[in-house]
Amino acid sequence: GAVVSQHPSWVICKSGTSVKIECRSLDFQATTMFWYRQFPKQSLMLMATSNEGSKATYEQGVEKDKFLINHASLTLSTLTVTSAHPEDSSFYICSALHHNKDTQYFGPGTRLTVL
Amino acid sequence: DQQVKQNSPSLSVQEGRISILNCDYTNSMFDYFLWYKKYPAEGPTFLISISSIKDKNEDGRFTVFLNKSAKHLSLHIVPSQPGDSAVYFCAASDSGTYKYIFGTGTRLKVLA
Repeated sequence: GAVVSQHPSWVICKSGTSVKIECRSLDFQATTMFWYRQFPKQSLMLMATSNEGSKATYEQGVEKDKFLINHASLTLSTLTVTSAHPEDSSFYICSALHHNKDTQYFGPGTRLTVL
Repeated sequence: DQQVKQNSPSLSVQEGRISILNCDYTNSMFDYFLWYKKYPAEGPTFLISISSIKDKNEDGRFTVFLNKSAKHLSLHIVPSQPGDSAVYFCAASDSGTYKYIFGTGTRLKVLA
């Protein structure tokens, strides 16, 4: 199998607070994980590539100080949305690259609502 | 600049018939292509992939065709079932980076 979990599945927070989202590969090791966000009725937009043991690489236009990524182990990457604002409200999805299959497997997503 | 396009936002097909979903890309560096199925408020589920060294890959009811000269790929679902109703995304990647660029999605509705 290739199962990826995310926690929490949804979170509501006040403006100005920080929120941490976890992404875990449950049955395989992933040196590379990816973070996406999806706005309603739009495509998945890649935010950053998370590499185990090294700094994440961010896509153009994504603020690295706003979206902190830590990939501390071969099965866990975290995304922290710092000082969240209502415009950060979105559906955040992670994926883990299964190297043997050359395929990304996606988590179930996290719905973030910032009030 | 949308490098991966799915020009049909929606498609309705009768149960048992063939569903054909299309995807076009512009970047000739892409050499690995995938199709994902997605339900609302869930992550995408991997369906099938194809490398640029092939022009066809089949897995059960799902077949992906790749036309490199036209920079076009399609997903065929035969026979279509009501449970196939979902949004389908194609994705393309330069296998050296493993980064996926997703299309805008096509909502498939299979009518019973």
